[in-house]
Order: sequence, then C-alpha cells, then structure tokens
Amino acid sequence: GEDVEQSLFLSVREGDSSVINCTYTDSSSTYLYWYKQEPGAGLQLLTYIFSNMDMKQDQRLTVLLNKKDKHLSLRIADTQTGDSAIYFCAETRYNQGGKLIFGQGTELSVKP
Amino acid sequence: DSGVTQTPKHLITATGQRVTLRCSPRSGDLSVYWYQQSLDQGLQFLIQYYNGEERAKGNILERFSAQQFPDLHSELNLSSLELGDSALYFCASSGGSGGAWGDTQYFGPGTRLTVL
Repeated sequence: GEDVEQSLFLSVREGDSSVINCTYTDSSSTYLYWYKQEPGAGLQLLTYIFSNMDMKQDQRLTVLLNKKDKHLSLRIADTQTGDSAIYFCAETRYNQGGKLIFGQGTELSVKP
Repeated sequence: DSGVTQTPKHLITATGQRVTLRCSPRSGDLSVYWYQQSLDQGLQFLIQYYNGEERAKGNILERFSAQQFPDLHSELNLSSLELGDSALYFCASSGGSGGAWGDTQYFGPGTRLTVL
C-alpha cells in the first residue's frame, strides 16, 4: 500500500532529545524526507536521506534508517521550544516520479 | 523563505463557485507540484507539471484543473466548490531534472481555502 505511518504526538522537556519515528512500506529505492510545519506556515525541508544510507547528521538533527524494518527516525538534540511544530515524514518512490507520499505528521510539543 | 510564492494567502468563497490559486516557483525550477492538506485526508499530492507539461497526476478531482505557463508560474483552478474542498493548498517546486524521484521539493506558504 501507500501508507507512511507516524505517531501523532510527542511531548518532551526543553533540553531533552526528541525522537520522531516513521515507517514506510515500499522496499524499492527511495528518498525519505523530513519536513517541519509551524502553525500557519508552509512546509520547511529539514533533511533527507537516500535508502542506501543508514544515517545522516546535520547539526542537531540525526536521521537513522533501518531498511530491514522500513523504519526512519529523526532525532533532535537539545530540543528547544522553537522546535514545537508538526513533523512530516515523506518518501518518493523510484517508479512513481517525483510525488511525495506523506505520513500523518507528528505534533511535537516542547515544554519549558 | 523557500523562494516559492503563492497567492492569495486566504480565500473565502461559497459553494458552487470557482477559484484560481497561483504559484510562482523558485528561480530556475522547472517543476511545480500541487498538494492539498486537509484534516481528514492529510497531505495529498494532486498534480505535477514540468516545463509546461503535465507530468504526473494524483488524487485530483475532475472539478480541479491546473496548468503551467511559459513563465513557469502555475495556476490551480477549483470549480463547483463543495464544503469538503476547504483545505490548505500547497505548491512546491523542484529543479530541472524532469521532476524525477530524487528532486528535492521546496514548498510555498500555502493558500487557505474556506468554502462556506
């Protein structure tokens, strides 16, 4: 099927690490993306990973990919209140052109 | 700021009406994508254009149509509007490789459509 699945909510304390999880279904070569949406705003690209990689790090963000389990995670180190937003996992598939297939989004709430 | 612009920011209209949403891609990008974000359906791909030609179609209703003009801006036309068409409509653009599966898409701020 087409489903990309995410848990809907995550609450953390400021300064802790946040881990947002995503599972996808297609086992063919794929790009996987993380987008951030703040209230009333568009989608901001955070990072992406190709499916032949296991990990990618970009400042406070670490993406881990487990191809066997089709599981993707986004770790945000030292989470700040400004990180409060909805985070979307998305993939593109080799045989489906450029369209992004999105998960439902995970709402991250950071408490001071 | 992604460099993708969308107008208008908000649109309020009545059932049965027709509206046009406009998108200007990032400078140099040839592909434009349209997505719909609603509470019940989430983010859904509608349609993609590459350099003026339709490249891929998703869950786009027959009442909806789009086009990409020679200056590469795109318009999404929504007609015979229903209450269920109320949503946030996003445009995204990507570089010049034909909208291939590896192109990174950059999103505009969206147009919020409310149908009363």
